[in-house]
Amino acid sequence: ETGVTQSPTHLIKTRGQQVTLRCSSQSGHNTVSWYQQALGQGPQFIFQYYREEENGRGNFPPRFSGLQFPNYSSELNVNALELDDSALYLCASSFDRGEPQHFGDGTRLSIL
Amino acid sequence: DQQVKQNSPSLSVQEGRISILNCDYTNSMFDYFLWYKKYPAEGPTFLISISSIKDKNEDGRFTVFLNKSAKHLSLHIVPSQPGDSAVYFCAVANTGNQFYFGTGTSLTVIP
Repeated sequence: ETGVTQSPTHLIKTRGQQVTLRCSSQSGHNTVSWYQQALGQGPQFIFQYYREEENGRGNFPPRFSGLQFPNYSSELNVNALELDDSALYLCASSFDRGEPQHFGDGTRLSIL
Repeated sequence: DQQVKQNSPSLSVQEGRISILNCDYTNSMFDYFLWYKKYPAEGPTFLISISSIKDKNEDGRFTVFLNKSAKHLSLHIVPSQPGDSAVYFCAVANTGNQFYFGTGTSLTVIP
């Protein structure tokens, strides 16, 4: 059984640029959530997708957007990057909403 | 607004002894509670969960206790092993909705 995989592992961008992070969910999982984890903090919920529809959103501005595809893979897009967007971005999938979430190893995004 | 607090950033325990990690939450509407374990350079790994209808759930060496009146959650690891050294996050949720994570407690088990 393949776990949650994220790409790329590391990424360096400059302020104002746009970035797309990708996530392949664990097989059979129809729910995916994205989190931002700053240094020394716990993961902060960005949003969740269930069967290709947004199913909840945390306290993040609209320049954070996402997609879930029919095969349940997912993207996180961030526009107009700011220095504070530097963080570890984690994707987590689950068999259904409310089930334990299984995390990928994250994408480390650095903004210069 | 911090929905979940883990007030101990770190904990050191002797191998074979009990490790107790604590977590407090603010909203009594939360009904699902989880613990995750994280090694460096890896994503969090699900460890154990409990729903609000129970006050204890056990899985091998790991037991989670829920005190709803105190809005308090704890994880007991007994006996502690060096391989348990990691950062532990508690998470809370309303069923089907977003998960809120604490800031983590770094556990070191000393051989």
